[in-house]
Amino acid sequence: EAGVTQFPSHSVIEKGQTVTLRCDPISGHDNLYWYRRVMGKEIKFLLHFVKESKQDESGMPNNRFLAERTGGTYSTLKVQPAELEDSGVYFCASSLTGQLYFGPGTRLTVT
Amino acid sequence: AQSVTQLDSQVPVFEEAPVELRCNYSSSVSVYLFWYVQYPNQGLQLLLKYLSGSTLVESINGFEAEFNKSQTSFHLRKPSVHISDTAEYFCAVRKTGNQFYFGTGTSLTVIP
Repeated sequence: EAGVTQFPSHSVIEKGQTVTLRCDPISGHDNLYWYRRVMGKEIKFLLHFVKESKQDESGMPNNRFLAERTGGTYSTLKVQPAELEDSGVYFCASSLTGQLYFGPGTRLTVT
Repeated sequence: AQSVTQLDSQVPVFEEAPVELRCNYSSSVSVYLFWYVQYPNQGLQLLLKYLSGSTLVESINGFEAEFNKSQTSFHLRKPSVHISDTAEYFCAVRKTGNQFYFGTGTSLTVIP
């Protein structure tokens, strides 16, 4: 069974540019989460999808972040325009019954 | 308010020595507790979890953690570490609504 995959693994962009991160969850997992870890800090919750619906987006830092999960399968997280403080590792995770399965993360560097 | 506190950001330990990675949580309601491990260049993997029942839970690679409700702790221990245990370890709590909260992580380095 394929695990959670994320693309790209690394992204380096300039301040003001747009970046779109993609997450493919484990097939059949209704729950999909986005998390972010800034260097040395905790892994912070961004939002939670149940199928295609946003269950909880209380962790989204501001309206420069837009997450979608069309059709309840893969999800994208767009940052537009990117700022320096958006740098970090963005993790996606999926679950069926409560245990999280993580992807390898996307390391985003905004210069 | 911080839900999970990992006091030790870095823990160096010699091979075959014991180790304890500390985790304290804050919650007034029942919680489920987890330890995740991230090996270099990999994603986070579940190491062990406490959902209910016995307060001592074990992983397949020799780690164990004990849920202590009175001290609101879920410390991770291993009596004898290997080089391959070098990784970053994250404590997490799951609250109602399937919401997970993670600590800041502890980087364990096993020294040969």
